[in-house]
Amino acid sequence: DAKTTQPTSMDCAEGRAANLPCNHSTISGNEYVYWYRQIHSQGPQYIIHGLKNNETNEMASLIITEDRKSSTLILPHATLRDTAVYYCIFPTGGFKTIFGAGTRLFVKA
Amino acid sequence: GAVVSQHPSRVICKSGTSVKIECRSLDFQATTMFWYRQFPKQSLMLMATSNEGSKATYEQGVEKDKFLINHASLTLSTLTVTSAHPEDSSFYICSATGTDTTNEKLFFGSGTQLSVL
Repeated sequence: DAKTTQPTSMDCAEGRAANLPCNHSTISGNEYVYWYRQIHSQGPQYIIHGLKNNETNEMASLIITEDRKSSTLILPHATLRDTAVYYCIFPTGGFKTIFGAGTRLFVKA
Repeated sequence: GAVVSQHPSRVICKSGTSVKIECRSLDFQATTMFWYRQFPKQSLMLMATSNEGSKATYEQGVEKDKFLINHASLTLSTLTVTSAHPEDSSFYICSATGTDTTNEKLFFGSGTQLSVL
């Protein structure tokens, strides 16, 4: 069974921020949260990851709650090319990863 | 950044034939590789974990004699779908992690679309 819970789908207007939530209440203290996205018929693309602190890179920001049971991926200025399925995951030992259903983000003009 | 190359990107085969899919880590040593399959509009389903030099560990419900995995070197893992049937048609994706990967990320191949006629 997947260990993360995400909304099935979300819409976002082009140019606006997209905020994608994820619940991972069973995460252990030393397990990182990772976010990937998958565009149709391609392999997943790495976006960002974090442990406790909020993180930011050129693609997105990651906000992790203090209890680490949930996180939010923020795409600050969504574009049409950000339309994809977004997965939050936390690999266990040896990087074994079970994927949940992810969130299908639709960015609309 | 680290790159995982998967080949072929698309293959069409006749029922009963075997198909081999290759997954290569181009600039790092992949001590562990993973194989997933994905049906249309569904999530990735982990099939097996492959460690270099040892037998693959298969997830429950995945037939090891049907999906042969070989990870003979630190840069190459192969998945062979034996005696393929139409129900094996799917999108197969590999991923890899290992030494020299920055920040312990999991890197994915671009996937292989298998169509069995």
